[in-house]
Amino acid sequence: ETVMTQSPDTLSVSPGERATLSCRAGQNIRSNLAWYKQKPGQAPRLLIYDASTRATGIPARFSGSGSGTDFTLTISSLQSEDFAVYYCQQYNNWPITFGQGTRLEIK
Amino acid sequence: QVQLQESAPGLVKPSETLSLTCTVSGGSVSTNSYYWDWIRQPPGKGLEWIGSIYYSGSTYYNSSLQSRLTISVDPSKNQFSLKLSSVTAADTAVYYCGSHAAYDSVWSSSPDWGQGTLVTVSS
Repeated sequence: ETVMTQSPDTLSVSPGERATLSCRAGQNIRSNLAWYKQKPGQAPRLLIYDASTRATGIPARFSGSGSGTDFTLTISSLQSEDFAVYYCQQYNNWPITFGQGTRLEIK
Repeated sequence: QVQLQESAPGLVKPSETLSLTCTVSGGSVSTNSYYWDWIRQPPGKGLEWIGSIYYSGSTYYNSSLQSRLTISVDPSKNQFSLKLSSVTAADTAVYYCGSHAAYDSVWSSSPDWGQGTLVTVSS
């Protein structure tokens, strides 16, 4: 099983500033990584797939990078609606696994 | 736009079988473009992948649930389903149906996950 580890668990950032979230895979997953955003009471929504490709309708302030074992989600200028929990997910091999999540909160 | 919607069983008694169905609308469950997934989230916790099924009927299960789990697809109803037997309080969670692309070029048209349904295991 590929263990996915996200850091930090909680990130406090002011609106308008940049947020950088990390995800590390326990083995090489190439670029087979997705990022999801979840707001309270809602289903997770796909932001990024193939490590760096934005899903349909996702604003350009969201960007993903990385390959192999180390990945980053960057939000360039935080808007109020961006404060949420973010999960990475690997789909390179079975079982599919998720990171534990990073909570992005308002500073 | 393909949409997914879970059924809503609500309350299940300990030791009984949890049954959920996901209805696919705006597209076909028989497509080779996606794996159809079940994911759950216990209250206040993170996401746990339960299992996936492909249109061919191939299934992939979380090893921790495998002995209790069956995922199936019903093309005639355009649905896929989950059955989890011998449930306990630890199975209380919001259950989501979702999907992930079987190959790169179809990710851009991936459907959103279903809204989720809370299943509570209690007598």
